[in-house]
Amino acid sequence: SQQGEEDPQALSIQEGENATMNCSYKTSINNLQWYRQNSGRGLVHLILIRSNEREKHSGRLRVTLDTSKKSSSLLITASRAADTASYFCATGGLASGTYKYIFGTGTRLKVLA
Amino acid sequence: DAGVIQSPRHEVTEMGQEVTLRCKPISGHNSLFWYRQTMMRGLELLIYFNNNVPIDDSGMPEDRFSAKMPNASFSTLKIQPSEPRDSAVYFCASSLKGVGYTEAFFGQGTRLTVV
Repeated sequence: SQQGEEDPQALSIQEGENATMNCSYKTSINNLQWYRQNSGRGLVHLILIRSNEREKHSGRLRVTLDTSKKSSSLLITASRAADTASYFCATGGLASGTYKYIFGTGTRLKVLA
Repeated sequence: DAGVIQSPRHEVTEMGQEVTLRCKPISGHNSLFWYRQTMMRGLELLIYFNNNVPIDDSGMPEDRFSAKMPNASFSTLKIQPSEPRDSAVYFCASSLKGVGYTEAFFGQGTRLTVV
């Protein structure tokens, strides 16, 4: 069963706009991670936020985590055409009862030039 | 480091044939994962190894699927006999300390087509 569920499933924006994706999960976690997948390629790790953190930044990426709501959001600011990809959240760790990385269904982001 | 290396990148085979996918994890990583990705089912975890030992194979769809990790630098995923519904992209990933503590590094995947 899916641990993480992203929404929206698809998002289309203009270059320069901000993109926000959300992830909801079901169990306790040690951390939550966001990955990007370009078409036909493997997943690439973007950012990891630990369960005791509420917000984390990395370049144009901002991730928030609300453990009380079991949700996270990924914000990409000033989007570029190169940001076009699918974005996945992943959870796991001892707190969730599994050592497996469980991925959500992904958000397909399209940035129009 | 060259990252996680998978081979072959593409495989086309006829139904009923045996297929073997290969993976070389990043040196020093102690956890290895095999995933399958399709449009219909998304990214599914098939099996997870820790220190070369299979820990959880609950995602392996059927007895036709088997995975081995004979040493820390090599793993195989075998499908015998293959069926058209096995067509998918198969990814191998490895991590340093195990899930929940560090990120996973993915290979480029093997696109399998069974005709």
